[in-house]
Amino acid sequence: DVKVTQSSRYLVKRTGEKVFLECVQDMDHENMFWYRQDPGLGLRLIYFSYDVKMKEKGDIPEGYSVSREKKERFSLILESASTNQTSMYLCASSSTPGDFYGYTFGSGTRLTVV
Amino acid sequence: AQSVTQLGSHVSVSEGALVLLRCNYSSSVPPYLFWYVQYPNQGLQLLLKYTTGATLVKGINGFEAEFKKSETSFHLTKPSAHMSDAAEYFCAVTQAGTALIFGKGTTLSVSS
Repeated sequence: DVKVTQSSRYLVKRTGEKVFLECVQDMDHENMFWYRQDPGLGLRLIYFSYDVKMKEKGDIPEGYSVSREKKERFSLILESASTNQTSMYLCASSSTPGDFYGYTFGSGTRLTVV
Repeated sequence: AQSVTQLGSHVSVSEGALVLLRCNYSSSVPPYLFWYVQYPNQGLQLLLKYTTGATLVKGINGFEAEFKKSETSFHLTKPSAHMSDAAEYFCAVTQAGTALIFGKGTTLSVSS
């Protein structure tokens, strides 16, 4: 069964810390995505990547960066965590950016910044 | 620019009743449309999708949706709700080559 694995299910970090959220997919997908999910706001796209070492900004990239050194791994980086970045973070991958075949999502990382 | 509007952040139905979750989209070119479901403490799972062809699409768990271009709608329906359908549902839109844009979600509650 195809999988997207997010390394942490729950994470608690302090304000100002540098935070790494890791995502690994085993489907040889070209495209990977990071979304943020907040109640009443749905999913908002932070960054995505169409290929290794490629990245594109989504709708809310401020305060975040990403890294994709290998095809299977896409990391989201909070350079200096703030309380307004407390949220659920969802990683996804697909073989086509337009999701012709469907995105596969990870189970999410619930990040709390205190 | 594309966008998705889900009408109603919370829908409540009785077990056995019709489920209707509404989704309207905005897109300057023919869109691809999707419904995803999220059960508590889980990631999103694809329910169904419309890309081209037949406008009535059937998905998993007895759900279906109809693409109506004239109404720019893609409403999700299920004839008879089950307790296990209680979840959050997201409508999403994309054009070829772009990332998915999601609606704000609709929480479905099912009472016995």
